[in-house]
Amino acid sequence: NAGVTQTPKFQVLKTGQSMTLQCAQDMNHNSMYWYRQDPGMGLRLIYYSASEGTTDKGEVPNGYNVSRLNKREFSLRLESAAPSQTSVYFCASSDRQFRVMRETQYFGPGTRLLVL
Amino acid sequence: AQSVTQLGSHVSVSEGALVLLRCNYSSSVPPYLFWYVQYPNQGLQLLLKYTSAATLVKGINGFEAEFKKSETSFHLTKPSAHMSDAAEYFCAVRNTGGGNKLTFGTGTQLKVEL
Repeated sequence: NAGVTQTPKFQVLKTGQSMTLQCAQDMNHNSMYWYRQDPGMGLRLIYYSASEGTTDKGEVPNGYNVSRLNKREFSLRLESAAPSQTSVYFCASSDRQFRVMRETQYFGPGTRLLVL
Repeated sequence: AQSVTQLGSHVSVSEGALVLLRCNYSSSVPPYLFWYVQYPNQGLQLLLKYTSAATLVKGINGFEAEFKKSETSFHLTKPSAHMSDAAEYFCAVRNTGGGNKLTFGTGTQLKVEL
């Protein structure tokens, strides 16, 4: 049981290049999330998917797109990378419990992205 | 909207000393609160969570947190720090809007010295 996996672990891009960050979970969770982590700012939600087939914007969605490919996979795409998107990106997943507020999010190891 | 504030971006303690990491919340409804830990170059791991069942919540690795409504606080404590506790700690609150979203604090870096 690998939990939440992310690829790649590290990536360097030039301004204007595009790339897709991959995330997969093997816990049969319904909900998946993408966060970015910047020094002094904690984690901020980019996009989330409450269930397969649905996606919604989070706090900082500009410059990103997502795809919930199936229940296991949730990808994040940067169409035209900018230096402001240099960050560490975390994917997370959670399951739906009887009391939805009790859900715990499980995080992947992160992708470190540098945009030059 | 819900939010959390972590006081002190860096905290340094001696090994064996009390660890106290502060978190205050703002919420118009009873909050659901979480503490996560991040070790260097790793993802976040849940330490403990408050979901209104009990005000004193015990987590992993000897950590605990007490929910105090009168002080709007959810501070994280550990009686005796260990070198392995050195990490970054994040407080988070569940948003009441749909989608099970979390709002995180800015984090506190804990340093443990000999």
